[in-house]
Amino acid sequence: EPEVTQTPSHQVTQMGQEVILRCVPISNHLYFYWYRQILGQKVEFLVSFYNNEISEKSEIFDDQFSVERPDGSNFTLKIRSTKLEDSAMYFCAGQGRANSPLHFGNGTRLTVT
Amino acid sequence: SQQGEEDPQALSIQEGENATMNCSYKTSINNLQWYRQNSGRGLVHLILIRSNEREKHSGRLRVTLDTSKKSSSLLITASRAADTASYFCATAFNFGNEKLTFGTGTRLTIIP
Repeated sequence: EPEVTQTPSHQVTQMGQEVILRCVPISNHLYFYWYRQILGQKVEFLVSFYNNEISEKSEIFDDQFSVERPDGSNFTLKIRSTKLEDSAMYFCAGQGRANSPLHFGNGTRLTVT
Repeated sequence: SQQGEEDPQALSIQEGENATMNCSYKTSINNLQWYRQNSGRGLVHLILIRSNEREKHSGRLRVTLDTSKKSSSLLITASRAADTASYFCATAFNFGNEKLTFGTGTRLTIIP
């Protein structure tokens, strides 16, 4: 069964550094999402992406964040200048059609020191 | 309360017993979904129930939806040790390109 794959599984970075989290969604999916989960807390929506543009973003998704789908397969989340509070699990998800389940990757654990 | 709150927050039962988890939400929805998360892993979709549906089954899982009470329940019958995980409900408001709003989750522990 097709999977959503995320790399790296764990990223450690220093405060102020840029990080890029990568995702390869399922090939025939149309809608893409990034979520994050701070340790012990709920899963929070960051951004949705459809037709090569952002369709919705949350208050968390400020100017430090950006997303790209540069080559039609990879889907990336960039954090320009990481803060300690960006430490979390970041999940990529895809959706094949409206009103259908999301398929999540196993996440990237980001640790900002 | 926030959109998507589960109760209980934690539940421990003996293997073989049934586990019931509840979810409440505040706004109108297009669909409600239940996901499972093993510790440190991604979310796995379990069941999606649309706003015009009242009950759905999948194997040992049964989900109900009461839109008048803005609540849903997830029943796992004949629980197994492997069912130990966190369970989240998530609600979608828009048709197409739905942002899911997740609840706080129920941590289920099945005691062998």
